[in-house]
Amino acid sequence: GDSVTQMEGPVTLSEEACLTINCTYTATGYPSLFWYVQYPGEGLQLLLKATKADDKGSNKGFEATYRKETTSFHLEKGSVQVSDSAVYFCALSPYSGGGADGLTFGKGTHLIIQP
Amino acid sequence: GAGVSQSPSNKVTEKGKDVELRCDPISGHTALYWYRQSLGQGLEFLIYFQGNSAPDKSGLPSDRFSAERTGGSVSTLTIQRTQQEDSAVYLCATKRDRGPDTQYFGPGTRLTVL
Repeated sequence: GDSVTQMEGPVTLSEEACLTINCTYTATGYPSLFWYVQYPGEGLQLLLKATKADDKGSNKGFEATYRKETTSFHLEKGSVQVSDSAVYFCALSPYSGGGADGLTFGKGTHLIIQP
Repeated sequence: GAGVSQSPSNKVTEKGKDVELRCDPISGHTALYWYRQSLGQGLEFLIYFQGNSAPDKSGLPSDRFSAERTGGSVSTLTIQRTQQEDSAVYLCATKRDRGPDTQYFGPGTRLTVL
């Protein structure tokens, strides 16, 4: 079945450091890929997505590129802020034109940014 | 409302009791999902409704779990004869239609089984 693997952390960085959270996936067909974020005390919200190979999703300074050849969707940010402290989930949807498409999530990466 | 709402926000129950969790989707969203978030298992897909089609129940962990969606809108997740391992946060998400659209998540219901 489909699966998503990501580093679990916690990942602790200083403010203004560069961030990379690795995410790799296993899926049949042509999945869509997502990063969701869960801030302390809040619900899951979409951070960015990519629906086909070589697409780049971006939002709030975060970027991720859908790499089919390496089955990866790594999350990057050039300069993190304390407000980026949260749990980040990589996810895939197997949607390929029809049928069910419940998301398959990675375990989540707890990111802590220190001032 | 503007977003997905769930009730109750917290539920404490005794082992063996039945519980019902409710999800009110974003108006007009035809797709509705239930997920479970627990420390040991992470986020797991449970069940998916699309319009009036038969639901995809492939993620339900046992026959103690069931869900309904009335009139293509409100959904109820029922857990019968609750066990301690059912303790988790149950999340509902909705989406406009089929396809790679964004799923919007509710705040969740935290279930504690004593």
